[in-house]
Amino acid sequence: SAVISQKPSRDICQRGTSLTIQCQVDSQVTMMFWYRQQPGQSLTLIATANQGSEATYESGFVIDKFPISRPNLTFSTLTVSNMSPEDSSIYLCSAIERGGVYEQYFGPGTRLTVT
Amino acid sequence: GENVEQHPSTLSVQEGDSAVIKCTYSDSASNYFPWYKQELGKRPQLIIDIRSNVGEKKDQRIAVTLNKTAKHFSLHITETQPEDSAVYFCAAGPNTDKLIFGTGTRLQVFP
Repeated sequence: SAVISQKPSRDICQRGTSLTIQCQVDSQVTMMFWYRQQPGQSLTLIATANQGSEATYESGFVIDKFPISRPNLTFSTLTVSNMSPEDSSIYLCSAIERGGVYEQYFGPGTRLTVT
Repeated sequence: GENVEQHPSTLSVQEGDSAVIKCTYSDSASNYFPWYKQELGKRPQLIIDIRSNVGEKKDQRIAVTLNKTAKHFSLHITETQPEDSAVYFCAAGPNTDKLIFGTGTRLQVFP
């Protein structure tokens, strides 16, 4: 299966600032996604990162707050903009391998704390 | 909107016993049902999945059953071991990409 890495692994940020999280996959993948997992909670899909075009956002998530880029088949970024303490969460990227058995694999996550 | 309910939220078993986690989904278009295991501080890891064209799938000590008519599916772990202790998430979707996750079950296996 594809190996997915994220940077940073964790960060503590001040409210009102923005943080960009990077997701790198070691092979070309068909689809990439971004999830949020609040402490002790389940995973919620934020958006599908589309290569070369605007991401597709789920209900409750907007581009101004969570801009996403995917310039190629192995890399994506998620920015958390104008942060508030409510944005404190773990952000996970995931991917579905190209030409594989179409299973979704997750990165290790980025633990964000907003003070 | 679409919803996946998962029960129980916590489950404690003695080592060697079996554990069963149940999920119910609402979207009749769902055809793909994966189960993920998440250890503390780690990423969710796919442990088994099932698609709607089969009713049961087994992989060593882990099995998943699916009842499409009733819209529920279950994870069965036999001969549990302490290393099975983790949070387990079920998910459902029309295919591999658009997954809705259940609320999770914290499984504790006591030696």
